[in-house]
Amino acid sequence: SYELTQPPSVSVSPGQTARITCSGDALPKQYAYWYQQKPGQAPVLVINKDSERPSGIPERFSGSRSGTTVTLTISGVQAEDEADYYCQSADSSGTYVFGTGTKVTVL
Amino acid sequence: QVQLVQSGAEVKKPGASVKVSCKASGYTFTSYVISWVRQAPGQGLEWMGWISAYNGNTNYAQKFQGRVTMTTDTSTSTAYVELRSLRSDDTAVYYCARVVTPYWYFDLWGRGTLVTVSS
Repeated sequence: SYELTQPPSVSVSPGQTARITCSGDALPKQYAYWYQQKPGQAPVLVINKDSERPSGIPERFSGSRSGTTVTLTISGVQAEDEADYYCQSADSSGTYVFGTGTKVTVL
Repeated sequence: QVQLVQSGAEVKKPGASVKVSCKASGYTFTSYVISWVRQAPGQGLEWMGWISAYNGNTNYAQKFQGRVTMTTDTSTSTAYVELRSLRSDDTAVYYCARVVTPYWYFDLWGRGTLVTVSS
């Protein structure tokens, strides 16, 4: 199995931009996905296939990729964006891995 | 309404087994794979495995092989996960999630079931 590494925490002021990275050697071969999880709630998909935004997700959420690193960007952060964020990938047989998780704090 | 409804919280003793259910509604159950993900208190998400509701095929995470069984009942559109030989570090919220294949991501989650393992 392989690992996906994220920074433990990111702090950002309202209206600023938060960037969360996710790194893993197997990432170049597979899509990455991002989930937002608020306390006491189930995760919610915010980015799929590296950079697609599901229906209902605000435009301030975007995703990108460069080599072995994918990045979730939240532009114009709002207080409601304070949450834990997880990246996720899977190989072609459906063996999954989650990133270590990043806590986003809105100052 | 498309949703996954999970069974209620459980308290188990070490060495016991637990079986958590996940009832699907609002979509064709047999068209999707259901996965199970757990989250220990204050920790990250941990994938446990998946089961195809179409043909019953499974793929378990190596960590749980031999200790976990995932099943489905297509007559009630319900998926189950059973974990045996429980230990205190199995204390976690267990989520079921619907899988979008062939991309292997989760587009619908249950609200979670807290399993507490304590003597």
